[in-house]
Amino acid sequence: KNEVEQSPQNLTAQEGEFITINCSYSVGISALHWLQQHPGGGIVSLFMLSSGKKKHGRLIATINIQEKHSSLHITASHPRDSAVYICAVRPPHNYGQNFVFGPGTRLSVLP
Amino acid sequence: NAGVTQTPKFQVLKTGQSMTLQCAQDMNHNSMYWYRQDPGMGLRLIYYSASEGTTDKGEVPNGYNVSRLNKREFSLRLESAAPSQTSVYFCASSERAESAGSPLHFGNGTRLTVT
Repeated sequence: KNEVEQSPQNLTAQEGEFITINCSYSVGISALHWLQQHPGGGIVSLFMLSSGKKKHGRLIATINIQEKHSSLHITASHPRDSAVYICAVRPPHNYGQNFVFGPGTRLSVLP
Repeated sequence: NAGVTQTPKFQVLKTGQSMTLQCAQDMNHNSMYWYRQDPGMGLRLIYYSASEGTTDKGEVPNGYNVSRLNKREFSLRLESAAPSQTSVYFCASSERAESAGSPLHFGNGTRLTVT
């Protein structure tokens, strides 16, 4: 069974700081997704990665398939980035389970 | 552009009561899912429907039933609610279950409390 771990569990940063959230998983995957859960509860998809690196605005996601590890970076953090960030992996050929989710990293960015 | 619409947003039930959570998507997605989210745990799959007319159990199906009413709608039913089913429930959809690059689109969640 694929286990997904995230670190840190909780993170408090000052506005403007560079933030890194880590995700590691235990078995092979076909894709990794980063999700953002807003304080109101809604969940949106930020990135889908199968290799390399992707950038969207101030957000950068990287993945190292060999090391089974992904990072989500936020540059010039802002209080509106405060949310729970969830890593989700998609096991290959396992359409039933489809995604295995990490427990989330709760980020608070203080003004 | 509504995306995935879930109702209700909040519900309180007494042990033994029944209820149905409704979910509809307007993105013409083939696959739909029901997850529950509990404190300190990742989202866990209750049931999914890879395509219209099919449903399958996920990781935690006990105590739940589902109906894929048509391509748009996927409902989750609790026949006899138990306190262990207190949770936040999310409906999600994706274009195709078998596509690795197909992202999930989530509803806003239903916060259910069973007393």
